[in-house]
Amino acid sequence: DQQVKQNSPSLSVQEGRISILNCDYTNSMFDYFLWYKKYPAEGPTFLISISSIKDKNEDGRFTVFLNKSAKHLSLHIVPSQPGDSAVYFCAASAPFAGNQFYFGTGTSLTVIP
Amino acid sequence: DGGITQSPKYLFRKEGQNVTLSCEQNLNHDAMYWYRQDPGQGLRLIYYSQIVNDFQKGDIAEGYSVSREKKESFPLTVTSAQKNPTAFYLCASSIIQGNTEAFFGQGTRLTVV
Repeated sequence: DQQVKQNSPSLSVQEGRISILNCDYTNSMFDYFLWYKKYPAEGPTFLISISSIKDKNEDGRFTVFLNKSAKHLSLHIVPSQPGDSAVYFCAASAPFAGNQFYFGTGTSLTVIP
Repeated sequence: DGGITQSPKYLFRKEGQNVTLSCEQNLNHDAMYWYRQDPGQGLRLIYYSQIVNDFQKGDIAEGYSVSREKKESFPLTVTSAQKNPTAFYLCASSIIQGNTEAFFGQGTRLTVV
């Protein structure tokens, strides 16, 4: 049973506009959430994270929002650039699971120049 | 340079043969993980280890085996019992305590011919 879900397999955005990637989770015990960026045939690279005690974390063009009551997080990229085109995975971890990471199925972002 | 090294990048195997994928890290991380990526299915956990000489099964451990004889190394063996071994395999590592991200290797693409 998928505990972390990304319901949008793909997203296309014009360069300079905002990209919003969404992620839902089912287990309220998750206390740390991460976003990874992945290019084909490469390993994922860490992008940004948020602890469950916060509702927002910002790093340059990337902002992650956490809504614990809705068990939902989102990644905002502003402004979007063609180099942002990649697959984005959200992930969650929790002490109850030995801090192992649960990943979503990914969203393929295409930024159109 | 600290990081995780997976080898080889591409691997071909005949049906019925066992094959071992290498994963080495020099980040001094206690935890190491093996994930499998298939199209549309995200990253699924095969095995993970939090300490030398100990490891736990993930969601899809059947047909795989691992060892953790050294902190730096976590090889994965894909056995002939794995019914659909063709996939992209990713190794990762992390520290155990506190909220932290996992660092990934570049992956090994295994193809059964």
